[in-house]
Amino acid sequence: AQSVTQPDIHITVSEGASLELRCNYSYGATPYLFWYVQSPGQGLQLLLKYFSGDTLVQGIKGFEAEFKRSQSSFNLRKPSVHWSDAAEYFCAVGARGSGTYKYIFGTGTRLKVLA
Amino acid sequence: SAVISQKPSRDICQRGTSLTIQCQVDSQVTMMFWYRQQPGQSLTLIATANQGSEATYESGFVIDKFPISRPNLTFSTLTVSNMSPEDSSIYLCSVETPMNTEAFFGQGTRLTVV
Repeated sequence: AQSVTQPDIHITVSEGASLELRCNYSYGATPYLFWYVQSPGQGLQLLLKYFSGDTLVQGIKGFEAEFKRSQSSFNLRKPSVHWSDAAEYFCAVGARGSGTYKYIFGTGTRLKVLA
Repeated sequence: SAVISQKPSRDICQRGTSLTIQCQVDSQVTMMFWYRQQPGQSLTLIATANQGSEATYESGFVIDKFPISRPNLTFSTLTVSNMSPEDSSIYLCSVETPMNTEAFFGQGTRLTVV
């Protein structure tokens, strides 16, 4: 069965420090992978997505993610975190079936940024 | 891209009552989705709504509890019926546009049942 695991529930980093959020997935075929960010009281905003091709994907707000098939991972990174990055981050896999996607979300990682 | 408006943004309801959440999209979309996000948890798909047909519900969700309407390609409603405190959650509307192969989300409806 398809699943997404985000092993870190909470992460705290200092402003300016680098960040890596982990995501592992289980899916029988080549997955469509996504990272979303949810600020308090807001919906989800897409940071980046991977469908095929270059395994290093650039997204908005300076984020990038690397798809590693051998590790079934799609970790999110940012070289220097800003205070405004404090939010909850969700990794998701898109499983296509019946003509559309069924998105399976991880449990999320809540990021806290220290000034 | 797609811009999604959800109403209401939040509500506090008495147990036993029902609440209808509206989702309006600024463009025509084929698929609309309704998710539930319980406190401190991830998103769980409730159902997929196609225009002109009955919604398809995920395991654990039934039409009597979460009736959905999809009268046209830009609008859908989700009703949470006979509410109990366990229904307190954020409910999110989502769409997938044909060209983007990504999901867009509304800002959510925060429901508290007392």
